[in-house]
Amino acid sequence: RKEVEQDPGPFNVPEGATVAFNCTYSNSASQSFFWYRQDCRKEPKLLMSVYSSGNEDGRFTAQLNRASQYISLLIRDSKLSDSATYLCVVNTVGGSQGNLIFGKGTKLSVKP
Amino acid sequence: SQTIHQWPATLVQPVGSPLSLECTVEGTSNPNLYWYRQAAGRGLQLLFYSVGIGQISSEVPQNLSASRPQDRQFILSSKKLLLSDSGFYLCAWITRPIGGYTFGSGTRLTVV
Repeated sequence: RKEVEQDPGPFNVPEGATVAFNCTYSNSASQSFFWYRQDCRKEPKLLMSVYSSGNEDGRFTAQLNRASQYISLLIRDSKLSDSATYLCVVNTVGGSQGNLIFGKGTKLSVKP
Repeated sequence: SQTIHQWPATLVQPVGSPLSLECTVEGTSNPNLYWYRQAAGRGLQLLFYSVGIGQISSEVPQNLSASRPQDRQFILSSKKLLLSDSGFYLCAWITRPIGGYTFGSGTRLTVV
């Protein structure tokens, strides 16, 4: 099983739609979780951290389910500018990969 | 403020030529620094990380090497480039206390 798995997509949705991405991780000792956004040919940028109690930032809601070892990202009222690849990232203390493990990303395309 | 600089932005190099990519950070001290590579259509692959001057950990055996001659300087090098070294090279540091990464703007390397 891969350490961090995501559906690669693409998710093609109309403007205004609600879209959800899931991500699963394999190491139950993982302690910190993040969603990053990467635009085409650009560096990844932190979108939001994911807290155990769930957290919301405007149209974006992130949730963590430790028992099932998955993380989700919900985007409401999608905008054209939300089109990007969304990377699920897990921080594992003591992990060999410098402590952060990246999923391969889920591509979102919002159409007018 | 804390910033990370990476250059050059784009590089085209012939097979067998040397490589030197530089990354510097400002506004922090003793950062953990990372080099990642993202090949076309693929996820982020950790190449090297460093927790201090002269301390380099290699994650993947390869044609590349890294050095950290100063606290806020991280250099990625190769003596002879291969076609397979083409990709998007990203430098990153851990942003505390959140623990996520901040990436430089990246270097897009094409080996021809």
